[in-house]
Amino acid sequence: NAGVMQNPRHLVRRRGQEARLRCSPMKGHSHVYWYRQLPEEGLKFMVYLQKENIIDESGMPKERFSAEFPKEGPSILRIQQVVRGDSAAYFCASTTGTSSNNEQFFGPGTRLTVL
Amino acid sequence: GQQVMQIPQYQHVQEGEDFTTYCNSSTTLSNIQWYKQRPGGHPVFLIQLVKSGEVKKQKRLTFQFGEAKKNSSLHITATQTTDVGTYFCAGKVGGTSYGKLTFGQGTILTVHP
Repeated sequence: NAGVMQNPRHLVRRRGQEARLRCSPMKGHSHVYWYRQLPEEGLKFMVYLQKENIIDESGMPKERFSAEFPKEGPSILRIQQVVRGDSAAYFCASTTGTSSNNEQFFGPGTRLTVL
Repeated sequence: GQQVMQIPQYQHVQEGEDFTTYCNSSTTLSNIQWYKQRPGGHPVFLIQLVKSGEVKKQKRLTFQFGEAKKNSSLHITATQTTDVGTYFCAGKVGGTSYGKLTFGQGTILTVHP
């Protein structure tokens, strides 16, 4: 959905560098999900955040990965010391509330390539 | 953990033929959503099914949710080249109040004119 913004759209990093992915939810949305998609695979849940709170990070690797959604500004997914296996498309989705029936609006994604 | 399996992985059809993709969950779902992703694009929400046995239609697309709420299908009648893309089902398992989705692997649809 054009309302969810992600940047950068493409990111190239060398092994060991840091990758910082940003997601601005749709106006009025305060809930963000991050998903990772490997080539020709489905999306895998990583983390669910509300403003200033991480609600569920069960899908996120415990090392090198972190996420935040500050009171002001976009949600950020941070990958430290990237490895080739981190190469994937990372999508965020936003919703209006906590209900599981809320439609998730996806951003265009960030395609991360680790050299 | 919960798994959502989707078949077939690939489907090639001639324009005008029908297409069906099937989704099966290892556990009962509280709801199921369907998304379409064009090559190089992002998932776009198509529909959500909540009730056991529910059937919903969108023009040439028919969505079904099984009686046991563990399987679902998407059927496209008379495919068009604009239907090309990957179709994903995504299930919501009970136990959380929020929309943590488990996606199937997707079915890649190719339509030959």
